[in-house]
Amino acid sequence: KQEVTQIPAALSVPEGENLVLNCSFTDSAIYNLQWFRQDPGKGLTSLLLIQSSQREQTSGRLNASLDKSSGRSTLYIAASQPGDSATYLCAVASNNAGNMLTFGGGTRLMVKP
Amino acid sequence: DTAVSQTPKYLVTQMGNDKSIKCEQNLGHDTMYWYKQDSKKFLKIMFSYNNKELIINETVPNRFSPKSPDKAHLNLHINSLELGDSAVYFCASNVLNEKLFFGSGTQLSVL
Repeated sequence: KQEVTQIPAALSVPEGENLVLNCSFTDSAIYNLQWFRQDPGKGLTSLLLIQSSQREQTSGRLNASLDKSSGRSTLYIAASQPGDSATYLCAVASNNAGNMLTFGGGTRLMVKP
Repeated sequence: DTAVSQTPKYLVTQMGNDKSIKCEQNLGHDTMYWYKQDSKKFLKIMFSYNNKELIINETVPNRFSPKSPDKAHLNLHINSLELGDSAVYFCASNVLNEKLFFGSGTQLSVL
């Protein structure tokens, strides 16, 4: 059974800092891994999707990496802004569960002005 | 122009009642899902459905049933509501192995 863990659970940084969020998963047989953002009281927005054959994906100030063999992914946020404050969740689609995603518990990020 | 829309946004009801949550997507996706987010904000898959196959998470009680009148809709029907069913329910959709799009959620409160 796939398990996904995110560390840290919460993070507070001053504006302008570069930061890294971590995600680990127990079963390396995955189709893909996604990073999502969730604002309070809202749904989730997919930020980046990395297919199992890929090592990283970039979108603007965000960069996500995937190391399938070690069961790890990182989300790097450059030059953080107060508008980046949200909960960030990673989720994996496992080979034995079709398209259904297993989510981590999330990292609650606060970027202080 | 909302891509994945679900109604109602809030649902307050008594224990034992039967209720439905509706979901529609206008993205032309072939697969739709229901997720449950509990009070600790942990998200769990409930169902995955396309026009050929329903996959049910084995932990979901059979009081919960998805109903799909067509490819663009996947409604969630819940019988005999219990206190523990209180949560936020999210509908989502995608094309196989691509980004997942979520609705804005339905906050269900069972009294």
